Parts: sequence; C-alpha cells; structure tokens
Amino acid sequence: EAAVTQSPRNKVTVTGGNVTLSCRQTNSHNYMYWYRQDTGHGLRLIHYSYGAGNLQIGDVPDGYKATRTTQEDFFLLLELASPSQTSLYFCASSDWGGAEDTQYFGPGTRLLVL
Amino acid sequence: GDSVTQTEGPVTVSESESLIINCTYSATSIAYPNLFWYVRYPGEGLQLLLKVITAGQKGSSRGFEATYNKETTSFHLQKASVQESDSAVYYCALGEATGGNNKLTFGQGTVLSVIP
Repeated sequence: EAAVTQSPRNKVTVTGGNVTLSCRQTNSHNYMYWYRQDTGHGLRLIHYSYGAGNLQIGDVPDGYKATRTTQEDFFLLLELASPSQTSLYFCASSDWGGAEDTQYFGPGTRLLVL
Repeated sequence: GDSVTQTEGPVTVSESESLIINCTYSATSIAYPNLFWYVRYPGEGLQLLLKVITAGQKGSSRGFEATYNKETTSFHLQKASVQESDSAVYYCALGEATGGNNKLTFGQGTVLSVIP
C-alpha cells in the first residue's frame, strides 16, 4: 500500500514568518508533488519533482520554494508567509509521471497565516 | 488552459438512494485526456476511486461508475445505492502528459453527506 505522510498536520504562523512543510513517501516513487486547495477551487499544483535534486515549476509557484533532498523527502518552503497562503496543502507521489499514472496523496497540512 | 467543473456541493443524500455527481471538462491541448475520480475521506488524503483513459469506456469501483463521454465532454459519477460510509469529498480530474509529467487538473470537489 502506497504511503505518503505529511508534517505538521496543522500550522499557525504570522505574516512574514518562515514555514517548512515536510512530505515523505515510502513508495519508491520518482515523482512528488505539492498542491494547495482553497475553498471553491480544485487542487492547484505548486511545484513538483522527478527525483532528488530536481525541481519543476507548477501552476501557482509564486511565494513558494521547494526542495527534494532524497527520493523520499520533498519540502515546501514559505520564506515570507502571507495571509493569501492560508490553505490546505497536499503532497503526492507517483511512480513514473505518465498521463495514466495514479497519484498517491498525503493527509494534508492545514496552514493558517495570521 | 484545461478546466474541470463539477456539481456544487454540499450534496446530501439518504442512505440507499441513488447519486450522480456531474463533471464536465475542457482540455485545450489534447483531444482525449485521461479522466479520474479521486475521493477524500475525513482525515485522509485523496485516493483514486476510478480512472478511464479511453473515450467511450466506463470505469467502476466500490459500486461507483463513470463513463467517458467525449461528445459531451463529461465524466459523471454515479452510484445506484449510497451508504453512509460514502460520505466524503469527491474530485473529478483531467490528466494529460506535459513534457513527460502527468499534469492533473482538478475540479473544486463535491462534498457528499449520506444520511442514515
């Protein structure tokens, strides 16, 4: 069974604060993704990676950095958090990134920026 | 760009009643994208419910089914008799390969509550 974990599950920070969201997958998958979901919107892709040291830009990258340190670990960094980044963040992994490939999701991190 | 529109929630249905959640899509760069339904149960991440990669085909899982209709660009999710355990958020998604990556475009999600 595919396993993707995220930490923390909930986070509160202040405007201008520094936040790191962590994601680990134990599926030996090549691809990892960061999404955000806001009320009334579908999940939107922030960044993704196809291997350690690789980073690709998603659809809504502004204000976010990401780093893939190992095949298992993918981090999302908010260096100057803003209230507009209050959201539910999901991490996902997939095996080969093809159009038919299933993505496996973590449980989400709820971030509140005051 | 691509877009997915699905039934506005929340949807409330009584147990053993039938269900349909509508999904229509617009794919700008590919004629026949792959279509998915994902489900998120309370406290969990999204998980694949079903997918169909060939136009005209039907996918099914856990009593749910959806048919890929390229004429109407739709992929509606149906179930004949829902159970309380089906209460969740359902997401329709469109997938296409972009530079080798499976780019998923999601609908906004439909919250389903099943009343016992």
